[in-house]
Amino acid sequence: NAGVTQTPKFQVLKTGQSMTLQCAQDMNHNSMYWYRQDPGMGLRLIYYSASEGTTDKGEVPNGYNVSRLNKREFSLRLESAAPSQTSVYFCASSAPRGRVNEQFFGPGTRLTVL
Amino acid sequence: QKEVEQNSGPLSVPEGAIASLNCTYSDRGSQSFFWYRQYSGKSPELIMFIYSNGDKEDGRFTAQLNKASQYVSLLIRDSQPSDSATYLCAVFGGSNYKLTFGKGTLLTVNP
Repeated sequence: NAGVTQTPKFQVLKTGQSMTLQCAQDMNHNSMYWYRQDPGMGLRLIYYSASEGTTDKGEVPNGYNVSRLNKREFSLRLESAAPSQTSVYFCASSAPRGRVNEQFFGPGTRLTVL
Repeated sequence: QKEVEQNSGPLSVPEGAIASLNCTYSDRGSQSFFWYRQYSGKSPELIMFIYSNGDKEDGRFTAQLNKASQYVSLLIRDSQPSDSATYLCAVFGGSNYKLTFGKGTLLTVNP
């Protein structure tokens, strides 16, 4: 049971390049999330998927697109990377536990855009 | 705009002391409250959640919630150097059914 996995772990891009960050979970969770974490800014929600087939914008969606490929996988795409997108990206998934929704995080992708 | 506020710290305590971490939130409709621990270079891991007013204890950790004051705290008893990390407060529900994180408090436990 690997939990939430993310690939790649590290990536360096040049301005204007595109890439896709991959996320998969094996906990049979319905909901999945993409966050970015910047120094002094905390975790900010980019996009989320409440269930397979649905996606919604979070707090900072500009410059990103997502695909909920199936129940297990949720990818994040940068079409034209900018230096402002240099960050650590975390994928998470969640499931109800009684009255709360517990979120579990992947190990993160450290992205640098030059 | 839902806000979650934490003192950024750093909070420094000696080994064996009680560390007290605080968090306030703006949305009165918030329903559940989470504390995550994040070691440097690692991902957040859930320590505790609470949704009812009062205290909830789990080992050395106690979460406290006061909805009237819109305040949630985490107490760590008998602090250990391994507790040194950033602690993130997160709030769920209210005007939007998403998890909103505070910016975190850096805790350092000195041997």
